[in-house]
Amino acid sequence: DQQVKQNSPSLSVQEGRISILNCDYTNSMFDYFLWYKKYPAEGPTFLISISSIKDKNEDGRFTVFLNKSAKHLSLHIVPSQPGDSAVYFCAANQAGTALIFGKGTTLSVSS
Amino acid sequence: DTGVSQDPRHKITKRGQNVTFRCDPISEHNRLYWYRQTLGQGPEFLTYFQNEAQLEKSRLLSDRFSAERPKGSFSTLEIQRTEQGDSAMYLCASSLPTETEKLFFGSGTQLSVL
Repeated sequence: DQQVKQNSPSLSVQEGRISILNCDYTNSMFDYFLWYKKYPAEGPTFLISISSIKDKNEDGRFTVFLNKSAKHLSLHIVPSQPGDSAVYFCAANQAGTALIFGKGTTLSVSS
Repeated sequence: DTGVSQDPRHKITKRGQNVTFRCDPISEHNRLYWYRQTLGQGPEFLTYFQNEAQLEKSRLLSDRFSAERPKGSFSTLEIQRTEQGDSAMYLCASSLPTETEKLFFGSGTQLSVL
């Protein structure tokens, strides 16, 4: 039973445009939601997070939106850059427990 | 380098052999996690430690798998009698106990079981 779902395996965007990555979850008890980025041959790196008590968190070009009623979150990257090309994982947890990851979305940003 | 370190980076073994991986977390992090990642999947939780105590194990962690963190610093993950289905990237991560959602991952150990 997948508690965190990323239904789009891949996304292609042109440089300078917006990238929107989506994630759905089933567990209403999750306290935190996070996005990780992974380059080939490296471990995932933390990108941005949001607490369940908020609906938006922004960090530079990256913004995460949380819609608790729809059990949906999204990551917006504006403007997209070729260096953003990577696999993006959505993850979630209840405080103190291990993170549960989605399957990932591969983002390709073309120049 | 003060990041999470994993050794070896790659391991090729024959089915039935035992393998052991090592993880050195960030020094001030007292939580340490093991995850496994296969192609096309996200990291799957295996187990985690707070200091030397193993607090949670996933059902994915069969009795052929054992993890230790004897002094609350580095950790080892051993797989006995390896099977081809064990082939995966084994990722270690660490965190502060106050920020358990923010994991710092190592580069992983890629295991291939022939």
